[in-house]
Amino acid sequence: QQQVKQSPQSLIVQKGGISIINCAYENTAFDYFPWYQQFPGKGPALLIAIRPDVSEKKEGRFTISFNKSAKQFSLHIMDSQPGDSATYFCAASEGGGGNKLTFGTGTQLKVEL
Amino acid sequence: DADVTQTPRNRITKTGKRIMLECSQTKGHDRMYWYRQDPGLGLRLIYYSFDVKDINKGEISDGYSVSRQAQAKFSLSLESAIPNQTALYFCATSDHRGRGNEQFFGPGTRLTVL
Repeated sequence: QQQVKQSPQSLIVQKGGISIINCAYENTAFDYFPWYQQFPGKGPALLIAIRPDVSEKKEGRFTISFNKSAKQFSLHIMDSQPGDSATYFCAASEGGGGNKLTFGTGTQLKVEL
Repeated sequence: DADVTQTPRNRITKTGKRIMLECSQTKGHDRMYWYRQDPGLGLRLIYYSFDVKDINKGEISDGYSVSRQAQAKFSLSLESAIPNQTALYFCATSDHRGRGNEQFFGPGTRLTVL
């Protein structure tokens, strides 16, 4: 049972463009929504995260938009760069303090020159 | 993350063999996790442990077992490996006292079962 659905599976964006990755969840008890970034040969690393008490969180070129009523959240990468080429995973968890994460299926992003 | 190490990094084995993947961390975290990554399926939780005496099954625990030998060590075993266990395996840690629910991942072990 896929509790966190992620799309698209792959994405090609031109340098300087905006990359958008979407996720939808089913469990209304989820209260923490992180995005992880994974480069080839490496483990995933936390990129940015949001809690449902805000609709948007921005860190540099990365923004999470959160729609609680639609049970959807998305990652926007502004001014995409070739160095952003990686696999991105959305995730969700319920409860506080280090509880287990349910991951989406991943999006492979390629930023072309 | 160099604070979470996994051994071996690569392993090729045959069907029916017993395999152990090891994870060690120097972050002082109390919580540890084992995931497998398959193309198109993302990361799926196999087992997790919130402290040395706590072991919990994840969503895909069948065919796997774990041991939490110490706060810093968490091993994953495949008692009798089968080809569909060919995957990339990740160990992760978190601290219940830490910032949010952030998990720190090791570099992964690529396992091939022939």
